[in-house]
Amino acid sequence: GAVVSQHPSWVICKSGTSVKIECRSLDFQATTMFWYRQFPKQSLMLMATSNEGSKATYEQGVEKDKFLINHASLTLSTLTVTSAHPEDSSFYICSGAGDNYGYTFGSGTRLTVV
Amino acid sequence: AQTVTQSQPEMSVQEAETVTLSCTYDTSESDYYLFWYKQPPSRQMILVIRQEAYKQQNATENRFSVNFQKAAKSFSLKISDSQLGDAAMYFCAHTGTASKLTFGTGTRLQVTL
Repeated sequence: GAVVSQHPSWVICKSGTSVKIECRSLDFQATTMFWYRQFPKQSLMLMATSNEGSKATYEQGVEKDKFLINHASLTLSTLTVTSAHPEDSSFYICSGAGDNYGYTFGSGTRLTVV
Repeated sequence: AQTVTQSQPEMSVQEAETVTLSCTYDTSESDYYLFWYKQPPSRQMILVIRQEAYKQQNATENRFSVNFQKAAKSFSLKISDSQLGDAAMYFCAHTGTASKLTFGTGTRLQVTL
């Protein structure tokens, strides 16, 4: 079945540095990629929606200059957390959507900013 | 705006028994989809079951079935013959024409021996 490969699975970075998270759709074309953030014991909160070749649409309250999303191809989308701070520590999950309202989730990235 | 409400933060069921997780939603759209996702400790989101709003028949997937009450905007999940591996967070979700998934707050299911 459809798979979204998300890397890295976990990352520790120093405050002020940038971190890139990558999601690749395998065996299908993800025309849309959704990026979520999940705090411990909470639900998934949508951060942004990106369509291949277009600028991402960010949810209210999400800083687009801080969370840079690129969706350059139908199989690759990236999220870059710029100038990361400890409050950006969280679990980030991507989800690729192709046809027929199918959503395929990546395995998530645990980001810790120290 | 769409909202999804899960009123049961935690549920517990004995192995081999049946449990029902509740979900209500609010939407102004007539064409939409509803989902139940399972999130085990690995945090990988796993699709359990999906229901198209235009279908009156309740979706079933092996031991998992839903009770879809469109007029009441209710979408409960029934797990039959519960197994230890069913222990996880369960999220109800909705999507409409915008294709964005809106999740409920989740229900943590414990399965006891």
